[in-house]
Amino acid sequence: EAQVTQNPRYLITVTGKKLTVTCSQNMNHEYMSWYRQDPGLGLRQIYYSMNVEVTDKGDVPEGYKVSRKEKRNFPLILESPSPNQTSLYFCASSSRTGVLAKNIQYFGAGTRLSVL
Amino acid sequence: DQQVKQNSPSLSVQEGRISILNCDYTNSMFDYFLWYKKYPAEGPTFLISISSIKDKNEDGRFTVFLNKSAKHLSLHIVPSQPGDSAVYFCAASADFNKFDFGSGTKLNVKP
Repeated sequence: EAQVTQNPRYLITVTGKKLTVTCSQNMNHEYMSWYRQDPGLGLRQIYYSMNVEVTDKGDVPEGYKVSRKEKRNFPLILESPSPNQTSLYFCASSSRTGVLAKNIQYFGAGTRLSVL
Repeated sequence: DQQVKQNSPSLSVQEGRISILNCDYTNSMFDYFLWYKKYPAEGPTFLISISSIKDKNEDGRFTVFLNKSAKHLSLHIVPSQPGDSAVYFCAASADFNKFDFGSGTKLNVKP
């Protein structure tokens, strides 16, 4: 089954304790991206990656890091989480091949993070 | 500042009637627009898209209209079904790498 898998689904942590949210896709997609969803603001893009070792900032990258060492994985790293990073996070992937493929992002089920 | 806006947080429609969800954007560089549907506890799923070279795209019960001069797009669902009850996000992109999403409209289709 084609899917984007995020772990963990729920996480409660404290300010300053480094954490990593993992994202893995089994569709051999070149493109992957991270979003956060906050009430009244919709989804805002944090970082994206066009392929292995190629990443770039989205609209809200402050306080986050990413890496893309393998095609299937795109972890989101919070080196020193703060309460304003409490949010619902989504990872997404899409293919870069084919005329229509890059229009469609496949999303994971989300990770709800609370930073106390 | 948000470049994609969905000004109606919620919409309630009777089963069988038409649902019209609206979206406005400010960036004239956007040339591709998408609608995603999201159920609770799930990630968004792609619904339909439209390129700026078109003004209409249909897929079954779903039609997206684009008015470039007004910087406005709308999603029409005809006929609406209870299973369509979800949050709908519109999104826009200028380069297929960066995407701007609206804040979502929660659609409730009453049986």
